[in-house]
Amino acid sequence: QKEVEQDPGPLSVPEGAIVSLNCTYSNSAFQYFMWYRQYSRKGPELLMYTYSSGNKEDGRFTAQVDKSSKYISLFIRDSQPSDSATYLCAMGEGGGGNKLTFGTGTQLKVEL
Amino acid sequence: GAVVSQHPSWVICKSGTSVKIECRSLDFQATTMFWYRQFPKQSLMLMATSNEGSKATYEQGVEKDKFLINHASLTLSTLTVTSAHPEDSSFYICSARDGTGRVTEAFFGQGTRLTVV
Repeated sequence: QKEVEQDPGPLSVPEGAIVSLNCTYSNSAFQYFMWYRQYSRKGPELLMYTYSSGNKEDGRFTAQVDKSSKYISLFIRDSQPSDSATYLCAMGEGGGGNKLTFGTGTQLKVEL
Repeated sequence: GAVVSQHPSWVICKSGTSVKIECRSLDFQATTMFWYRQFPKQSLMLMATSNEGSKATYEQGVEKDKFLINHASLTLSTLTVTSAHPEDSSFYICSARDGTGRVTEAFFGQGTRLTVV
């Protein structure tokens, strides 16, 4: 079983839709959770990170963490064609560790 | 955000040759750099962590004699794939952070697509 599971998609939605992207994990030691956006042939770009359960909002993006269920989500409101990319979840253990464990990424396409 | 530049963006090499990939932090001092590998439709996998002036720490299963990492300065780390084979074809990505930054503040380069023929 992978430590982090993420549906690879592809996910296709119309412009303006609310997008829900999700990851599940099995390692209880994960303490911080991140979402990256990766455009084709580019490196990942950090979108959001959180250290605790609950919701964190930044503009059109909301990150949600449920540690009891080992489940994290990223919601994108009013999705735009420019949001079309691959979204990667990543997680790390506490204690200042460097290692991030990534999901496989979900490919999102927002259509006009 | 901070800029991390990776070069080249893509490279094709013959089997058995070596390839060097550079990762530079352009506007900050990168005390720690990370090298990842990403196969199609798979996760980014951490290969090694390097701290400036020290030997790199390799993840389990990564051959340190095949993937040579040099982090000789605070702005440059290099990954050399020695005696490359077609199975080494992948997308290699570096990330870098400064001494005060948390891992959440590591910035990624744009990646290098290596094709070994």
